[in-house]
Formats: sequence, C-alpha cells, structure tokens
Amino acid sequence: GESVGLHLPTLSVQEGDNSIINCAYSNSASDYFIWYKQESGKGPQFIIDIRSNMDKRQGQRVTVLLNKTVKHLSLQIAATQPGDSAVYFCAETYNAGNMLTFGGGTRLMVKP
Amino acid sequence: DAGVTQSPTHLIKTRGQQVTLRCSPKSGHDTVSWYQQALGQGPQFIFQYYEEEERQRGNFPDRFSGHQFPNYSSELNVNALLLGDSALYLCASSERGLGGQETQYFGPGTRLLVL
Repeated sequence: GESVGLHLPTLSVQEGDNSIINCAYSNSASDYFIWYKQESGKGPQFIIDIRSNMDKRQGQRVTVLLNKTVKHLSLQIAATQPGDSAVYFCAETYNAGNMLTFGGGTRLMVKP
Repeated sequence: DAGVTQSPTHLIKTRGQQVTLRCSPKSGHDTVSWYQQALGQGPQFIFQYYEEEERQRGNFPDRFSGHQFPNYSSELNVNALLLGDSALYLCASSERGLGGQETQYFGPGTRLLVL
C-alpha cells in the first residue's frame, strides 16, 4: 500500500542552527498531515499539523511546508535546541478517516 | 487536564499467552486508536474505536481485538502471543467531528516483551 517516507534517517545539527526534516508521501488523496516528536521511552508528541488546502503553517519555532505538486512535506525548526533531540515522524491520513500512516522517522541530534 | 494514559507501562509475557492493555483517552475525547510500534520503526495502525464499535482496522490478524467502554476508555487484547508481537503499543485519542481530521494525541505506550 501507499505509505509516507522520509529522505534522511539521521540529521545532526549544531545548537542554534535551523533544522529541516523532510518527508515524501505517495498517496495523492492524503488531505491532512501531522508532525510528531518522539523522545526515547515516550509516546509521539504532536508538534504541528497542516491540511491539504494550505501550503505553510507556523507554530512556535516550527514551520511546516506542504508541496502537493511533488508530494513533499517538511518540518523546519528554528534555533534548534538540545531539547529538540528526538525522532520526528510525519504522518498522513485521507478520505476523512482517522487511520494515520507514519513514515519510518528521522532522528535529530543537536550538538551543543 | 490529564492526557492519554495507558497501563501497564511494561509487560513481559511468554509465547501463547494472552495480554490486555488499557487506555484512558484525553478529557473530552471520544475516539481511541491503537498502534503498534516495533523498535526503530514508525507506529502501525491496528484499529480505531468510536461509540463502542470498531470503526477502522489496519492489517492485523484477528488475534488482535479491542473494546471501548461507555466512558470512552479502551482495551487492546492480543491472543496467542508471538515473539513478533514484542513492541510498544500506543493508544491515541481524538474527538470525532466533521471531516475526520481530528488530531490524535498519544499516550506514553505499553512496552510488551514476548519471550
């Protein structure tokens, strides 16, 4: 079946730099996308979401960009901090269903 | 406001046994979804419960079953455990509304080890 995937399994950045985590999705019917952060031993934590009628959405230090033409999603984290170190997952859903399809995750490592 | 809670936090079982995991949704949420997360992978959808009925199911065998109670809490049951069932089991809750795009919030998970 179709699934969400990520380009980079591990991303290492310097504290204070900006981070960009990418995600490709293959289901053109997907209409809702979510980024989750998962720290070791914990459940996924909601970061930000975006609907298919939007191209960009901003939160506190985070921005999600959606490019439906190439089926690409990205998460930008400004001024990355050590506390941002975690595995980040993008997830998608479609057809008004609530079944989330997750990618494999990207591990973000922040160097002090 | 309590978030999603799950019990137990950890569990060790042997092959062939049965296990029951429990989930209490976030206050105000009426829909519960269950996911299985193998080590190093993203969560995989098992099923979703709303109004005490299974509404959607992922690609999991009938050994996986569930229940939702009138107070919206939920149980996940796995029968005839296999070694491959070892994973983190996540519960997510949401509030059903128009469009089916309600944000799902996850609990801390139950770590199941099958020996």
